[in-house]
Amino acid sequence: QKEVEQNSGPLSVPEGAIASLNCTYSDRGSQSFFWYRQYSGKSPELIMSIYSNGDKEDGRFTAQLNKASQYVSLLIRDSQPSDSATYLCAVKRETSYDKVIFGPGTSLSVIP
Amino acid sequence: DTGVSQDPRHKITKRGQNVTFRCDPISEHNRLYWYRQTLGQGPEFLTYFQNEAQLEKSRLLSDRFSAERPKGSFSTLEIQRTEQGDSAMYLCASSLVFPATQSGQYFGPGTRLTVT
Repeated sequence: QKEVEQNSGPLSVPEGAIASLNCTYSDRGSQSFFWYRQYSGKSPELIMSIYSNGDKEDGRFTAQLNKASQYVSLLIRDSQPSDSATYLCAVKRETSYDKVIFGPGTSLSVIP
Repeated sequence: DTGVSQDPRHKITKRGQNVTFRCDPISEHNRLYWYRQTLGQGPEFLTYFQNEAQLEKSRLLSDRFSAERPKGSFSTLEIQRTEQGDSAMYLCASSLVFPATQSGQYFGPGTRLTVT
């Protein structure tokens, strides 16, 4: 089992729709969860972080975390063509010795 | 600009040559990470530092890879005797350690390595 898995893409949604991106992780010791956006040919950009169960909203983005199910998701409301990118899920322990593990990413295409 | 910087942005080298990449993190960040990314994959962890201490090195890395962060500021990643399979984007990221709610990583633009 891979440490971090994401729903396989590519995911296509029409402009204005809600895009739902999912991520599961295997390490129950994970405490911090991040979503990164990566445009083609560019480096990842941090867009959301979440640390406790429940929802966290930031503009059009909502991150959802369920530690019992080892599941984290990202919802993008009112999707725009500029949201077309690869979305990377990352998880991290919060100990003295930890590292961030990334999932393979999900490619999102927002169709005008 | 106070973001993460990397140098060079592109490197083309012949198989068997040594290459060295540099990363300058955000100045107040004490943690620095190196990743490798190939097309269609997420970033693959290579190693990370807290201040000048190298805390972990990926088991996937061969002994041809070495990294340093001599004064807890900038870091270098060296690849000796490069192979075609080393062709990838090498990403550097930095972060705070504490508080945990501010421990997200910020990436540099990456160094694209092509081994011919």
